[in-house]
Amino acid sequence: QVHLQESGPGLVRPAETLSLTCTVSGGSIGSYYWSWIRQPPGKGPEWIGYIYYRGGTNYNPSLSSRVSMSVDVSMSQFSLAVGSVTTADTAVYYCARSNRGRGLNAFDIWGQGTVVAVSS
Amino acid sequence: SSELTQDPAVSVALGQTVKITCQGDSLRYYSTSWFQQRPGQAPVVVAFGKNYRPSGISDRFSASNSGNTASLTITEAQAEDEADYYCNSRDSSGDGVVFGGGTRLTVL
Repeated sequence: QVHLQESGPGLVRPAETLSLTCTVSGGSIGSYYWSWIRQPPGKGPEWIGYIYYRGGTNYNPSLSSRVSMSVDVSMSQFSLAVGSVTTADTAVYYCARSNRGRGLNAFDIWGQGTVVAVSS
Repeated sequence: SSELTQDPAVSVALGQTVKITCQGDSLRYYSTSWFQQRPGQAPVVVAFGKNYRPSGISDRFSASNSGNTASLTITEAQAEDEADYYCNSRDSSGDGVVFGGGTRLTVL
């Protein structure tokens, strides 16, 4: 079965860049859309954006000026960078999968999530 | 603020039926997905599209949609159903994804 695993620093300094990677195992990275979703403490999920396996992206307008995503098909990985972070970026960050068949918002596989704290 | 509105909390007696709703203009045009999230765990999709359930999800969960309102109905509520439930859909532009604020379900 397909498994997603997030990795990256758990602590980021204010004004620096948050960088995370999601590794896909047990299945192909092809033909799917790969999203990053975050959840601040005590709040609901917020979609950050997605990247198609061929490299096309779409970002949440509220974050688009600070967000970039990339994909490495050969490594079955995709990555997230969020620049100029503040304490408001503190959250659990998830990677998740969807496709057009079920709906781009029907995230059927999620990673376990990784906690990222922004603090000096 | 979220473009999808959910009641913050709902309760149901053990074995009874409960409906969790989600309202938003984009629901008139785009499909809704529903997610269950237990404390400390990642969300799990329980329904998507026109009442499709992923394999392994109980048929006690069913989804429906009418106009700008989507609903998730849970029949014969069990203690294990106690969780936060989130809806999502495409946003008003159709390009992005938006989540509702979530409904905390308590099984009494």
